[in-house]
Amino acid sequence: DQQVKQNSPSLSVQEGRISILNCDYTNSMFDYFLWYKKYPAEGPTFLISISSIKDKNEDGRFTVFLNKSAKHLSLHIVPSQPGDSAVYFCAAPDAGGTSYGKLTFGQGTILTVHP
Amino acid sequence: GAGVSQSPSNKVTEKGKDVELRCDPISGHTALYWYRQSLGQGLEFLIYFQGNSAPDKSGLPSDRFSAERTGGSVSTLTIQRTQQEDSAVYLCASSLWGNNEQFFGPGTRLTVL
Repeated sequence: DQQVKQNSPSLSVQEGRISILNCDYTNSMFDYFLWYKKYPAEGPTFLISISSIKDKNEDGRFTVFLNKSAKHLSLHIVPSQPGDSAVYFCAAPDAGGTSYGKLTFGQGTILTVHP
Repeated sequence: GAGVSQSPSNKVTEKGKDVELRCDPISGHTALYWYRQSLGQGLEFLIYFQGNSAPDKSGLPSDRFSAERTGGSVSTLTIQRTQQEDSAVYLCASSLWGNNEQFFGPGTRLTVL
């Protein structure tokens, strides 16, 4: 049972445009979410997170939106840059009601930003 | 500063052999996690250690998999009698307990022939 789903395996955007990466979850106990970014041959690096008490969290070019009723979150990157090309994973702590602990990851979305 | 390191970076082994994968977490991080990423899949949780508490082994796929963490620092993941389906990138992460940001190592790519 895939509790965190990223249904788009890949996304291609033009430099300067907006990238929108989507994530859906099924476990209503999840109330904290994280996005990680992964370059080839490297480990994932933390990008941004959001608590369920918020519906938006912004950090520079990156904004995460959470729609609890739809069990859906999205990551917006504006403006997109070629260096943003990577695999993006959404994840949730599996302990339920916590913001830390073992993570359940989505399958990832490969973002390619063309110059 | 030093991040999470893992060794070896690549390991090719024959089916049926045992392998050991090593993780050196960030100094001072009390939580240590092992995940694996199979081809085309997301990261799958395997096991985590927190301080002196009993490890959470709920993600280990079979009893061929085991892990230990010595002295609250270095961890070794052991896979006995490897099978082809064990081929994956094995990732280690560490964090301060109660902190949501996990820092990942570069991974060990395991190939079982």
